[in-house]
Amino acid sequence: AQTVTQSQPEMSVQEAETVTLSCTYDTSESDYYLFWYKQPPSRQMILVIRQEAYKQQNATENRFSVNFQKAAKSFSLKISDSQLGDAAMYFCAYRSTTQGGSEKLVFGKGTKLTVNP
Amino acid sequence: DTAVSQTPKYLVTQMGNDKSIKCEQNLGHDTMYWYKQDSKKFLKIMFSYNNKELIINETVPNRFSPKSPDKAHLNLHINSLELGDSAVYFCASSQVAPNSPLHFGNGTRLTVT
Repeated sequence: AQTVTQSQPEMSVQEAETVTLSCTYDTSESDYYLFWYKQPPSRQMILVIRQEAYKQQNATENRFSVNFQKAAKSFSLKISDSQLGDAAMYFCAYRSTTQGGSEKLVFGKGTKLTVNP
Repeated sequence: DTAVSQTPKYLVTQMGNDKSIKCEQNLGHDTMYWYKQDSKKFLKIMFSYNNKELIINETVPNRFSPKSPDKAHLNLHINSLELGDSAVYFCASSQVAPNSPLHFGNGTRLTVT
């Protein structure tokens, strides 16, 4: 079974600075999808960014980008120009492409990001 | 608004009671899910349905019974509630394609006293 590990329970960053959140995963599959979700105090789960494993190019969405290292099974999230509204729990997630696995998203335990003014 | 909506938002009840949480999506998705988020914020899948058919039951106690009357609805009924059932329950939906992200409802905070 696939597992997702986020080794940083908490991180903090100064407003306008850059922070990187780590995520590693374990899988024997060659094709899969990776996601970062954000959960602010409102409890809502918000998709931040997604990456397709067969694409070497790292995904970017405005201030958010990923560093996807397939061989190392690493999928870190970089937040540039951090804003107070970025403060949230961030979850890394894995979705298989195989039948029986693609029907769920496997989450890491999350990283709580604090943004200091 | 297009969304995944679940009700109620908060649910406080006593041990031994039976309660239901309702979920509806108007995104046209074929797949719906129930996730449980515990006090440490860990999100774990409970059930996955594809077009009303149960696909995943992740070793959830049989006190939990999902019901999908149609592909836009997935309700969760819980019998004989226990203290350990206290958590936030999220409904979600997605397209079948694995590159499709999950769209989540806003969660139901269940407190069992």
